[in-house]
Amino acid sequence: DIQMTQSPSSLSASVGDRVTITCRASQSINSYLNWYQQKPGKAPKLLIYAASSLQSGVPSRFSGSGSGTAFTLIISGLQPEDSASYYCQQSHTSRAFGQGTKVEIK
Amino acid sequence: QVLLVQSGAEVKKPGASVKVSCKASGYTFTSYDINWVRQATGQGPEWMGWMNPNSGDTGYTQEFQGRVTMTRDTSITTAYMELSSLTSEDTAVYYCTRSERGGGVHFDYWGQGTLVSVSS
Repeated sequence: DIQMTQSPSSLSASVGDRVTITCRASQSINSYLNWYQQKPGKAPKLLIYAASSLQSGVPSRFSGSGSGTAFTLIISGLQPEDSASYYCQQSHTSRAFGQGTKVEIK
Repeated sequence: QVLLVQSGAEVKKPGASVKVSCKASGYTFTSYDINWVRQATGQGPEWMGWMNPNSGDTGYTQEFQGRVTMTRDTSITTAYMELSSLTSEDTAVYYCTRSERGGGVHFDYWGQGTLVSVSS
């Protein structure tokens, strides 16, 4: 099975900061990588699919990049409403999720 | 608009089974797969498997193989997930979610979640 490893597991940043979250796959998954945002008590929300495609309605401060085994989610200009957990998901073989990154606002 | 509306919370005893429903609307039910994802408190999402509502074909992860059954009733655009031999470790919120077929699968719409609690 392909293992997905996210880092960091949590971070604290200020409003306006640039935030970077990394997801690594144990073997190549081409560009079959999605990113989700989840707020407490809510279902996950799709942000980015196919590594870099922005889902409709998602603010442009969210962006994704990478291919193969290394991927990045960037929040350019952190907003208070971005306080949430973020998960990567590979769709190359299974649909397994990473363990998540909790983003807090300072 | 696309909606996935799930059945209400369930409380079950160990060894019992639970069946969660997911009513789809706002799109052609048979044109998208339905996936089931569960999430225990404080944990990340865990994908359980998928179902093609058109053919009824299913695929389950190894962890749930033999214990989960995904079905559908196309006449009422509803998908079902039944999990048997419940233990306390199955206590979680269960979500249904929609995905296109083919490469680059992603889950674009989600149900509101159904809390399943397993306790003696």
